[in-house]
Amino acid sequence: AQSVDQPDAHVTLSEGASLELRCSYSYSAAPYLFWYVQYPGQSLQFLLKYITGDTVVKGTKGFEAEFRKSNSSFNLKKSPAHWSDSAKYFCALEDTGYQNFYFGKGTSLTVIP
Amino acid sequence: SVLLYQKPNRDICQSGTSLKIQCVADSQVVSMFWYQQFQEQSLMLMATANEGSEATYESGFTKDKFPISRPNLTFSTLTVNNARPGDSSIYFCSSSPVTASAETLYFGSGTRLTVL
Repeated sequence: AQSVDQPDAHVTLSEGASLELRCSYSYSAAPYLFWYVQYPGQSLQFLLKYITGDTVVKGTKGFEAEFRKSNSSFNLKKSPAHWSDSAKYFCALEDTGYQNFYFGKGTSLTVIP
Repeated sequence: SVLLYQKPNRDICQSGTSLKIQCVADSQVVSMFWYQQFQEQSLMLMATANEGSEATYESGFTKDKFPISRPNLTFSTLTVNNARPGDSSIYFCSSSPVTASAETLYFGSGTRLTVL
């Protein structure tokens, strides 16, 4: 069965540091993977996705993610982090062919100015 | 992309009542999806609604409890029947410009429901 795991419920770091939010997945086929960000009181905003090809994908707001098939991961990265990056980040996997998205539990990121 | 407008943004209702949540897209979309998000939790897909057909519900969600209408290609409503405090959560509609795999899902602003 498909699943997405975001092992870190909370991450705190200082402005200017590098951030990496972890995401691992379980899926029997080639995955379609997404990252979304949710600011407090707001809806989800699309950041980036991996479909195929280059394993490093770049997205909006200066974020990028690296797909690693060897360990079934799709970690989100940004350097340097800014206080405005403080939000909740969700990794998601699409059940290919059905447009059903499975979301991880999210990682709440706090960037201290 | 597709813009999705939901209303109401918030609602408070008494146990046992029903309420409707509306979702309007700024362009015609084939599929609309409804998600539920409990406080500090992930999003769970409730159902998929295509125009002119019955919505398809995921495990744990039923049409008796959460009837969904999809009268045209830009509009959908989610009803919460016999609301209970356990239904208190945020409900999102979502869709994509093209109904196909690997397409980005876009989300409405959400409706925060509190059931007393």
